[in-house]
Amino acid sequence: DIVMTQSPDSLAVSLGERATINCKSSQTVLYSANNRNYVAWYQQKPGQPPKLLIYWASTRESGVPDRFSGSGSGTDFTLTISSLQAEDVAVYYCQHYYTPSLTFGGGTKVEIK
Amino acid sequence: QLQLEESGPGLVKPSETLSLTCTVSGGSISSSNYYWGWIRQPPGKGLEWIGSIYYSGTTFYNPSLKSRVTIFVDTSKNQFSLNLSSVTAADTAVYYCGRGYTRGCGGSTCYPAWFDPWGQGTLVTVSS
Repeated sequence: DIVMTQSPDSLAVSLGERATINCKSSQTVLYSANNRNYVAWYQQKPGQPPKLLIYWASTRESGVPDRFSGSGSGTDFTLTISSLQAEDVAVYYCQHYYTPSLTFGGGTKVEIK
Repeated sequence: QLQLEESGPGLVKPSETLSLTCTVSGGSISSSNYYWGWIRQPPGKGLEWIGSIYYSGTTFYNPSLKSRVTIFVDTSKNQFSLNLSSVTAADTAVYYCGRGYTRGCGGSTCYPAWFDPWGQGTLVTVSS
């Protein structure tokens, strides 16, 4: 199985500042035939199910604010919140779909400093 | 707007079989564009994919759970279901169902990708 390792486990960011979450896969999730990275990102607020933010590593889901962006390729990926808002307090997860055996990262908790 | 709702017992005894159903509304489970999946989350912990099923019946399971998991579809009821056998306390979790997108197809097989949307989840506790 591909292991997805997120860092940090948690971070505290001031309102309006940038939050950066990292996700590293144990093997490449870049499919060379189509040059696509098979990674998605989710946001989970307390007491709620996860919500899709990003797929194909950098494609923002419809309705997701543009302060959320995904980047990276191969084995290293980043979710960036460009200007943290109070409603962004949540746990964020990455997930690969490079193989049919799907796995999630361990999650990163984002709080307000 | 597509909605999913999990249902089933909230308490299961050790060694028994956990059975949950996900009812899909606002869309057809027979769509060729989607997989349908189960994901769980132990209290205070992260997400674990359990398995996914295509409307045709093709399934993919988490290798660590494969020997105990069965997922099946009832297209007449627009539902899909999960059976997890021989449960222990380690299977206590919130169980989510979700619509899975496909990342592409090879031959006659399409492959699961990301999940959207998710059901609200249901807590299943394994205890005697």
